[in-house]
Amino acid sequence: DAGVTQSPTHLIKTRGQQVTLRCSPKSGHDTVSWYQQALGQGPQFIFQYYEEEERQRGNFPDRFSGHQFPNYSSELNVNALLLGDSALYLCASSLAAADTQYFGPGTRLTVL
Amino acid sequence: RKEVEQDPGPFNVPEGATVAFNCTYSNSASQSFFWYRQDCRKEPKLLMSVYSSGNEDGRFTAQLNRASQYISLLIRDSKLSDSATYLCVVNTGNQFYFGTGTSLTVIP
Repeated sequence: DAGVTQSPTHLIKTRGQQVTLRCSPKSGHDTVSWYQQALGQGPQFIFQYYEEEERQRGNFPDRFSGHQFPNYSSELNVNALLLGDSALYLCASSLAAADTQYFGPGTRLTVL
Repeated sequence: RKEVEQDPGPFNVPEGATVAFNCTYSNSASQSFFWYRQDCRKEPKLLMSVYSSGNEDGRFTAQLNRASQYISLLIRDSKLSDSATYLCVVNTGNQFYFGTGTSLTVIP
């Protein structure tokens, strides 16, 4: 039973560029949430997708957008990258919005 | 005010010691509660859910006090492998809120 997978594992971009991160949920899960974790901080909620729609959103600007596909996989897009966007981006899947979340290994994004 | 607050530590304890972490949350309507463990540069992994009646899993005991809005985690007989950051997590029904984590190092 595959767990949550994310790609790529590492990414280096420069300011102003755009990036797309990908996530495949755990088998049987239909809800995907994205988090940003800066060094020394806890994960901060970006948004959650269910039935291909954004259901909840945290306090992140519109530069952060996402998508969920019919197979429940998801993408996180960040436009106009800033140095402060450098972080570990975590994807978590669950069976329902409020159910226990299981995390993927994350994508470490560095913005230069 | 932050939704979830934890003492960041670090906690440095000898092997075999008992250590306790506390966490407070601000939203009295919060619905579910968890402790996650995160190793350095790895993803958070579920340690245990937390119930009002308290729950135990081997050397780990979690408690929830809704009246005082705090959650605790007790680790007995600490092992070197328990060294990690422990994240307190609260679900309000709309979002999961994570604390900043408490760092634990178990010393030989």
